Amino acid sequence: KQEVTQIPAALSVPEGENLVLNCSFTDSAIYNLQWFRQDPGKGLTSLLLIQSSQREQTSGRLNASLDKSSGRSTLYIAASQPGDSATYLCAVRKAGGTSYGKLTFGQGTILTVHP
Amino acid sequence: DAGITQSPRHKVTETGTPVTLRCHQTENHRYMYWYRQDPGHGLRLIHYSYGVKDTDKGEVSDGYSVSRSKTEDFLLTLESATSSQTSVYFCAASLSLDTGELFFGEGSRLTVL
Repeated sequence: KQEVTQIPAALSVPEGENLVLNCSFTDSAIYNLQWFRQDPGKGLTSLLLIQSSQREQTSGRLNASLDKSSGRSTLYIAASQPGDSATYLCAVRKAGGTSYGKLTFGQGTILTVHP
Repeated sequence: DAGITQSPRHKVTETGTPVTLRCHQTENHRYMYWYRQDPGHGLRLIHYSYGVKDTDKGEVSDGYSVSRSKTEDFLLTLESATSSQTSVYFCAASLSLDTGELFFGEGSRLTVL
């Protein structure tokens, strides 16, 4: 059974810091990994999608890397801003088997960026 | 904009009453999903659809049914709501089941008294 763990569970940083969120998964047989952002009372917004054949993806101040063999992904946020405050979730999509295409989510990292 | 809208966004109902949540998408995604999100449990898949009239169960499907009569609409029905079904429900959609990016709606908060 795929398990996805996100560390840390919560993070509070001053504005301007560069920070790293971690996501680890137990089964490396995946199609892709996706990072989401969720604001309070809102839905999940897709940030980055990394296919299993890729090593990283970038969007603006965000950079996500994937090391499938070790079961790890990191989300790097450069020059953090108060508007980055949200919960960040990662999810992996299983390849093959009886759970074809099943997406497993981590519990999320709650990020607070204070001015 | 993911083009996914859910209705109603908020609903309060009583135990034993039927409830239907609607998901509408405008991007012609083939696959649609219903998740529930609860503290301590994260996001859990209830049901998903891989085409019109084609649906399958997720990990927490007991007490729920779904229907998809058109590509753009995916309905989630609680035949007889229970307090344990108080939750936030999210609809999601993707173009493919393997490599496709997943897009979410804004959520429907359901309270069962």
